[in-house]
Amino acid sequence: EVNLLESGGGLVQPGGSLRLSCAASGFTFSTYVMHWVRQAPGKGLEWVSVIAASDNGARYADSVKGRFTISRDNSQNTIYLQMNSLRDQDTAIYYCAKGLSNVPSSPGDYWGQGTLVTVSS
Amino acid sequence: EIVLTQSPATLSLSPGERATLSCRASQSVRSYLAWYQQKPGQAPRLLIYDASNRATGIPARFSGSGSGTDFTLTISSLEPEDFAVYYCQQRDTWPLTFGGGTKVEIK
Repeated sequence: EVNLLESGGGLVQPGGSLRLSCAASGFTFSTYVMHWVRQAPGKGLEWVSVIAASDNGARYADSVKGRFTISRDNSQNTIYLQMNSLRDQDTAIYYCAKGLSNVPSSPGDYWGQGTLVTVSS
Repeated sequence: EIVLTQSPATLSLSPGERATLSCRASQSVRSYLAWYQQKPGQAPRLLIYDASNRATGIPARFSGSGSGTDFTLTISSLEPEDFAVYYCQQRDTWPLTFGGGTKVEIK
């Protein structure tokens, strides 16, 4: 059974940093791309970032480019999202999602339950 | 970036009725469109990928169609558990983008 568990969310001041983690199990982690997708309170879904299966190639939404960094540790079956220079508008539930395949743009077929990030002074 | 416009914003239907949801792209996304379902307090669930392929475990009452700029998600006969918000997502062009969602509510 595929399981994704996000952690690391919390309250942070504007301009601050936070690192999210997503621990995966139940599938061959190193052969699938992984995404981060966020959802502001009461709003729709926004794709944030994706990391390739094995070469650490990554893509980002324009809204986070230069501030967020996605990474993965295939030995720990975990992905990370380092978030710097946080803004009020980064407040959201952050979900990690397993890609359907090793194609970077493949949709998320399994999702974690999310971790809430609140940026506020 | 590609903008996806979903309509209607809200669809009020009764169990057993047919639901037809629309997603229109600002430019062609070929067949690279997915549909997700999200219930309150839950993560999204992949229903359809590449316009018409049902994801693993998705009931046959869910079907997707379309290509280019116009796509449709059809639920042939609504079950009580189908009342939720539905999102489309394109994967043709970076950045990946989602539509604003259609809420299917009980009439």
